[in-house]
Amino acid sequence: AQSVAQPEDQVNVAEGNPLTVKCTYSVSGNPYLFWYVQYPNRGLQFLLKYITGDNLVKGSYGFEAEFNKSQTSFHLKKPSALVSDSALYFCAVRDETGTASKLTFGTGTRLQVTL
Amino acid sequence: EAQVTQNPRYLITVTGKKLTVTCSQNMNHEYMSWYRQDPGLGLRQIYYSMNVEVTDKGDVPEGYKVSRKEKRNFPLILESPSPNQTSLYFCASSTNGLAGGEQFFGPGTRLTVL
Repeated sequence: AQSVAQPEDQVNVAEGNPLTVKCTYSVSGNPYLFWYVQYPNRGLQFLLKYITGDNLVKGSYGFEAEFNKSQTSFHLKKPSALVSDSALYFCAVRDETGTASKLTFGTGTRLQVTL
Repeated sequence: EAQVTQNPRYLITVTGKKLTVTCSQNMNHEYMSWYRQDPGLGLRQIYYSMNVEVTDKGDVPEGYKVSRKEKRNFPLILESPSPNQTSLYFCASSTNGLAGGEQFFGPGTRLTVL
């Protein structure tokens, strides 16, 4: 079975500082990995994905994520945080093997960026 | 504008009263899915559909039904709602579900079952 862990319920960062939101995963085959962001009273929005290729993936709003196969991690990063980045972030994984198409989400990490 | 729409956005109902939450997408996506979001549990998949007339259970299908008679619509049916189905529900769609396409989410439906 596939699973995702986001070990931090909340991450607090000062504006201008770098941020990291952690994600680890477990799948039986090769993973497809995603990050989504949820702003208050909104649905989830896609940020970026890793399917294959370069381990450093760049996405929307200046975010990037690094795929690390040996550590089974896919941490979300941004060099300089903005107050407007404050939101709920979800990591998700899909196993490329098998016939069913199921996306498994983590429990979410709330990012709070302060002035 | 490409979007996923859900109706209603908010619903308060009573135990046992059948209800339907509609979901529609205008992107000609094959894959559609329903999730529920609960505090501390993240998003959990209820049902998904790979294409018209093809549906399958997700992780928490008990108490829910779906149908996919048309490509654009994927309604979620609660035949006899119970208080443990009080939650925030999201519909999502994407291109080919097997190829890693990112999902587009609707705005959510907040359901309260009394």
